[in-house]
Amino acid sequence: DVKVTQSSRYLVKRTGEKVFLECVQDMDHENMFWYRQDPGLGLRLIYFSYDVKMKEKGDIPEGYSVSREKKERFSLILESASTNQTSMYLCASSFSGRGQETQYFGPGTRLLVL
Amino acid sequence: RKEVEQDPGPFNVPEGATVAFNCTYSNSASQSFFWYRQDCRKEPKLLMSVYSSGNEDGRFTAQLNRASQYISLLIRDSKLSDSATYLCVVNPIAGGTSYGKLTFGQGTILTVHP
Repeated sequence: DVKVTQSSRYLVKRTGEKVFLECVQDMDHENMFWYRQDPGLGLRLIYFSYDVKMKEKGDIPEGYSVSREKKERFSLILESASTNQTSMYLCASSFSGRGQETQYFGPGTRLLVL
Repeated sequence: RKEVEQDPGPFNVPEGATVAFNCTYSNSASQSFFWYRQDCRKEPKLLMSVYSSGNEDGRFTAQLNRASQYISLLIRDSKLSDSATYLCVVNPIAGGTSYGKLTFGQGTILTVHP
């Protein structure tokens, strides 16, 4: 079974704090993704990575950065958390190649920024 | 226009009913199509891929109409356990490499009641 784990299920942070969300996958997937999910807005892609040390902006990268130092691990960083970053954060991973786009998601991290 | 559009519902149906969800996508070059299912407060999971000729998996039937850029999901003999949000998902990039990026619709909420 593919397993994608996220470091925390729930987090409460204060405005201005630096926040690290970690994601680990055990299937040797090349691609990893970070999304946020908000009511009425669906899943929105923040950043993705197709290889170690490679990263690409998604649709809403502002206020976020990422790090991929190892193939199995993809970190999302909120440099200075703001209340509008309160959301559900979902990590996903997939193989590269046509026909292998199925993304496997972690359980999500519910972040509350006060 | 959104890249992937779905009727958000909610759809409330009795057990045993047949229910259909529709989805339209804007990029005519899209090549891969999927339905994901997301249970309340859980991560999305692949329900089924959608093939050009249409495909069936038990009580679930998926259809693709490329000319109309339209995807559908039919659920027959609904069960209580089918209650979830159903996400229409498209790989919008044709040719080259998409790095596995997918575009998710906002989801259609289904509630099956006794």
